[in-house]
Amino acid sequence: EDQVTQSPEALRLQEGESSSLNCSYTVSGLRGLFWYRQDPGKGPEFLFTLYSAGEEKEKERLKATLTKKESFLHITAPKPEDSATYLCAVQASSGGSNYKLTFGKGTLLTVNP
Amino acid sequence: NAGVTQTPKFQVLKTGQSMTLQCAQDMNHNSMYWYRQDPGMGLRLIYYSASEGTTDKGEVPNGYNVSRLNKREFSLRLESAAPSQTSVYFCATNRASNQPQHFGDGTRLSIL
Repeated sequence: EDQVTQSPEALRLQEGESSSLNCSYTVSGLRGLFWYRQDPGKGPEFLFTLYSAGEEKEKERLKATLTKKESFLHITAPKPEDSATYLCAVQASSGGSNYKLTFGKGTLLTVNP
Repeated sequence: NAGVTQTPKFQVLKTGQSMTLQCAQDMNHNSMYWYRQDPGMGLRLIYYSASEGTTDKGEVPNGYNVSRLNKREFSLRLESAAPSQTSVYFCATNRASNQPQHFGDGTRLSIL
């Protein structure tokens, strides 16, 4: 069974204090790993897709990296507007549906001014 | 561009009532999905439609039915609502199975 574990559950940072969120996964052949941002009362907003170990993607203050067992979302010099819940999801390449995503429970990030 | 539109945004039902949640997309995507999100749990797939005319069960399909009305619309029906179905329901779409899914803003459903 595919599993996704995100840590920490919650993270509080001061504005400008860089940190990383972790997404550990167990999947029978990774087809893709997806990062989303979710604001209160809204649906998840797509950030990145990573397909193979060693791949990196960047967008503004966010950088996502992927290894064979985990992904990190690095946040450099965060601002209060980066406060949100960050979700990680994996898609397996073998067994079951090619359409199924397995989501982690998320990391609630709060950035204080 | 509206993207993915879900209606209604909020709904309160009594146990045993029926209801249909609506989802419409203007992204010309082939695949559509219904998820539920509960506190302390990740998003869980209820049903999906890989393409117009097809539907398949996801992880938690019991108590739900779906209809892919056309390429744009995918509805979720609760025939006899139960308190355990109190949740936030999200619709999502993507162009192909390995592409990112794009989500609506959800329907918040309470069943008393």
